[in-house]
Amino acid sequence: AQSVTQLDSHVSVSEGTPVLLRCNYSSSYSPSLFWYVQHPNKGLQLLLKYTSAATLVKGINGFEAEFKKSETSFHLTKPSAHMSDAAEYFCVVSLTGNQFYFGTGTSLTVIP
Amino acid sequence: DGGITQSPKYLFRKEGQNVTLSCEQNLNHDAMYWYRQDPGQGLRLIYYSQIVNDFQKGDIAEGYSVSREKKESFPLTVTSAQKNPTAFYLCASSIHSGAVNNEQFFGPGTRLTVL
Repeated sequence: AQSVTQLDSHVSVSEGTPVLLRCNYSSSYSPSLFWYVQHPNKGLQLLLKYTSAATLVKGINGFEAEFKKSETSFHLTKPSAHMSDAAEYFCVVSLTGNQFYFGTGTSLTVIP
Repeated sequence: DGGITQSPKYLFRKEGQNVTLSCEQNLNHDAMYWYRQDPGQGLRLIYYSQIVNDFQKGDIAEGYSVSREKKESFPLTVTSAQKNPTAFYLCASSIHSGAVNNEQFFGPGTRLTVL
């Protein structure tokens, strides 16, 4: 069975400081992993995806994530938070490409 | 512009009424999905369709129905049998089903409120 755990439901950072949003997954096989961002009352936008190529994945808006198989983790990072980064972030896993399993989300607050 | 459109943005329904949410995509994607989003619960899959005239139940299909008569359209009907329909509904599509590196593209969502 596949599952996704986002370890923090809320994260607060000061503007200009690093962001770390944590995600662990369980899967019997090598999955595809995704991070999406959702601003209030909007749809989800893809930030980045891992599909068994490079383990360090760079995405849009300065975000990146590292796939660590030994730790079954796919944490999202950004060196310097911007006010516009305040949003809900979802970690997603897919094995077959047919179904996608979503974490419960992490709400990021950026303090000016 | 290519993308996914959902209408209406806000929808109000009286108890006991059926209501249909629209989802249209012009991305030429084969697969389409409906999710329900509730606070603190992430997204839960209602139905998905890999090809025209075919669809499968997701994790929370009870009280919902769908059709896929055209590739670009995947409407969702919330029936009176759905006990707690107030939620944010998201439609998504992906280029084809079964490819491991598929990513989903999402519409802007419809917020349904039962009065």
